[in-house]
This record gives sequence, structure tokens and C-alpha cells, in this order.
Amino acid sequence: EAGVAQSPRYKIIEKRQSVAFWCNPISGHATLYWYQQILGQGPKLLIQFQNNGVVDDSQLPKDRFSAERLKGVDSTLKIQPAKLEDSAVYLCASSLGVTNTEAFFGQGTRLTVV
Amino acid sequence: GEDVEQSLFLSVREGDSSVINCTYTDSSSTYLYWYKQEPGAGLQLLTYIFSNMDMKQDQRLTVLLNKKDKHLSLRIADTQTGDSAIYFCAESIRNNDMRFGAGTRLTVKP
Repeated sequence: EAGVAQSPRYKIIEKRQSVAFWCNPISGHATLYWYQQILGQGPKLLIQFQNNGVVDDSQLPKDRFSAERLKGVDSTLKIQPAKLEDSAVYLCASSLGVTNTEAFFGQGTRLTVV
Repeated sequence: GEDVEQSLFLSVREGDSSVINCTYTDSSSTYLYWYKQEPGAGLQLLTYIFSNMDMKQDQRLTVLLNKKDKHLSLRIADTQTGDSAIYFCAESIRNNDMRFGAGTRLTVKP
């Protein structure tokens, strides 16, 4: 079974630039999560989708972050414009549905904002 | 407090047992999880426990849950060098979201 795929693995941008990350969840997984993991900290949820609907985006900085999952499968997370404090690993995870006992994580995208 | 708390570092000798401790925040959490993260990799679910249980054993792993004190622990028996990683405790809260601790870096010395 293929795992959660994310791209790119690494990205370096200057502050005020834009960046987008892509995630392909495990086939058949209805729930998709984006987490931000700052160095030395645990992951923090940014947004959770159930199919193509948003379940929770309460911690998403909506002035600069956006995410979509148009067809209920792949998802993109965008930052525009980026700030230095956005430097982190962005993790995508997916699970079958109602409970996240079986949440599987991708390898993440490491973003460095300079 | 609002945070899931873990000690940051643990060092053990190969063959010894490791015990990683965690305190969580929400008494209504339904599931509590332990994830492992190796360098450059995503998080791997090791084990989880439902909140109505107080112990779960899975091969070398034993999870203990004290709901009264909101305390969770992970014991790894016969710790190996391959167990060196960062271990995250997480609680499930609203909408099946997970709140993570900062992680405990386990170092296993030969």
C-alpha cells in the first residue's frame, strides 16, 4: 500500500514570496490533515478535511495560509506571503475517516524562509 | 495548562527498559497516542490506547494510562539502538484532532 506522498521535500524561499505544498493521501482515506511542525516542537494542526469539506481550520492563519482539497483526494497548502516564522516542516496525514486511530503521515516538506 | 507535556530527553543503555512519560490536558480525550519520528521521516504511529483502558501491551511496548492524573507512559522493553528517535505523545480532542507534545528524544547507547 502506497503511503502519503508529499512534494516537494525541501523548499527555500525569501520572505514575502509565495509557496505551495502538495499532498496525495492514501487511497480511500476520507480525512486529510495538514500539520505544521516547528523545530523542537510537536506538530500543530493547521487544517482538517473530511472528503472535500473543511472540518477544522481554527488554527490556520487565514490571512496568509490557504488550503484546498477540491476533489476530495489531493490537497494543496499555500502560504502567501511567507514570513520568517513560517520556517517549519509541513506534514500531511490521512486517515480512513471518523476516528484518526489509523492516521498515517507523509515525510513532510521542510520550508526555510530567509 | 493547555499543553501536552513530555520530558525532552531520555538516554538508556541497549537492553534496558525505557519509560517515556507524558501528561495531557483534556479529560474528555477519547484516544491517546504514541508516535515515533526518525530523522527526516514523518511520524509513525506506534500504539494507541482508548481512554477507558488503563493498560495496553503490544510486543515490547506497554502503555499505561492514569486518567485521574492525566498521565500516560510508554515503556519499551529491551531497548535497541534502532529505537533511538523522537517519541511524541498525542491526545485526541474535538473533531478527532490530535494535540501533540513537544517530543522526547530517546538515545540508546550500545
